[in-house]
Amino acid sequence: EAGVAQSPRYKIIEKRQSVAFWCNPISGHATLYWYQQILGQGPKLLIQFQNNGVVDDSQLPKDRFSAERLKGVDSTLKIQPAKLEDSAVYLCASSGRDRGSGELFFGEGSRLTVL
Amino acid sequence: AQSVAQPEDQVNVAEGNPLTVKCTYSVSGNPYLFWYVQYPNRGLQFLLKYITGDNLVKGSYGFEAEFNKSQTSFHLKKPSALVSDSALYFCAVSPNDYKLSFGAGTTVTVRA
Repeated sequence: EAGVAQSPRYKIIEKRQSVAFWCNPISGHATLYWYQQILGQGPKLLIQFQNNGVVDDSQLPKDRFSAERLKGVDSTLKIQPAKLEDSAVYLCASSGRDRGSGELFFGEGSRLTVL
Repeated sequence: AQSVAQPEDQVNVAEGNPLTVKCTYSVSGNPYLFWYVQYPNRGLQFLLKYITGDNLVKGSYGFEAEFNKSQTSFHLKKPSALVSDSALYFCAVSPNDYKLSFGAGTTVTVRA
């Protein structure tokens, strides 16, 4: 079974530029998450999708971050304009239909450096 | 609000010795508790979970965790550590849904 795919793995940009990250979840997984992991901290949930609907985006900085999940499969997370404090690893995860199982499958992450 | 505390940034043990990684939590209602492991340049991997039932939960790679409601703790344990267990370990809590809140992580180093 293929895992969660993310790209790009690494991205370096100047502040105020834009960047987009892509995620392809495990086939058949209805729930998709984007987490932000700053160095030395645990992952923080940015947004959760159930199929193509947003379940929780309470911690997403909506003035600069946006995310979509077209057709309930792939997802894209965009940052525009980027700030220095956005430097982090952006993790995508997915989970199956067993609500409350808590077993999330994570991708390897996209490491963003903002200069 | 839910939160997790991992009081130790680092844990160092010798191979073959017992390994314990501590975690305490705060959540409204009955907690869903999890442990994840992150190897260098890899995504997080699920180790084990507690939802209900037996307070001692067994997971992958010989790890287990003990749920203690009175102490609001969910410590991760392994009777005999291996060098390959060296990694970053995260405890997480959920208030009965998918929304996991992760701790800051504990770096485990097992020396040969």
